[in-house]
Amino acid sequence: EPEVTQTPSHQVTQMGQEVILRCVPISNHLYFYWYRQILGQKVEFLVSFYNNEISEKSEIFDDQFSVERPDGSNFTLKIRSTKLEDSAMYFCASNRQGKDEAFFGQGTRLTVV
Amino acid sequence: EDKVVQSPLSLVVHEGDTVTLNCSYEVTNFRSLLWYKQEKKAPTFLFMLTSSGIEKKSGRLSSILDKKELFSILNITATQTGDSAVYLCAWGSGNTGKLIFGQGTTLQVKP
Repeated sequence: EPEVTQTPSHQVTQMGQEVILRCVPISNHLYFYWYRQILGQKVEFLVSFYNNEISEKSEIFDDQFSVERPDGSNFTLKIRSTKLEDSAMYFCASNRQGKDEAFFGQGTRLTVV
Repeated sequence: EDKVVQSPLSLVVHEGDTVTLNCSYEVTNFRSLLWYKQEKKAPTFLFMLTSSGIEKKSGRLSSILDKKELFSILNITATQTGDSAVYLCAWGSGNTGKLIFGQGTTLQVKP
């Protein structure tokens, strides 16, 4: 069964460093998303991406964040200068159409020290 | 402000019990209401509801939406220890596919 895959599963980085989280969405899906979940809190929407551009972003998704689809399969989230409060589980999700159910990857646990 | 509220926040039952999880929402531009199960990491999809009053069912799990009263329930009958998880309710909005999640209900099923 096709699934969304994310790498790495866990990343530890020093405050101020740049990190890139990688995702491979399901192959025939056209809409891609990033969510984050701070430990013990709810899953929060960051950004949606369609047709090679951001279609919607939340207030969390400030200038420190960017997304890219560098080739036909990968979808990346870059955090330019990490802060302690960026420590969270980051989930990538995708669906074929925006109105369909979204399928989530296993997540990348980002720890900023 | 759009919001999704789940209750109870946590629940402990014994195997064989039936549970009902609640999700209420106050949102603009409603498109769909989704239920996910989160065990260790990724939320896994359970149901998507768009029409009021129509029950969706999968095995021991079922869900229904009331668009007039703005709530949904998830029922699990004959619970098993493998049902232990966090159950997430999310509102799907507009055309971008954004999901707004509730805080989740943590269900523990004891043997």
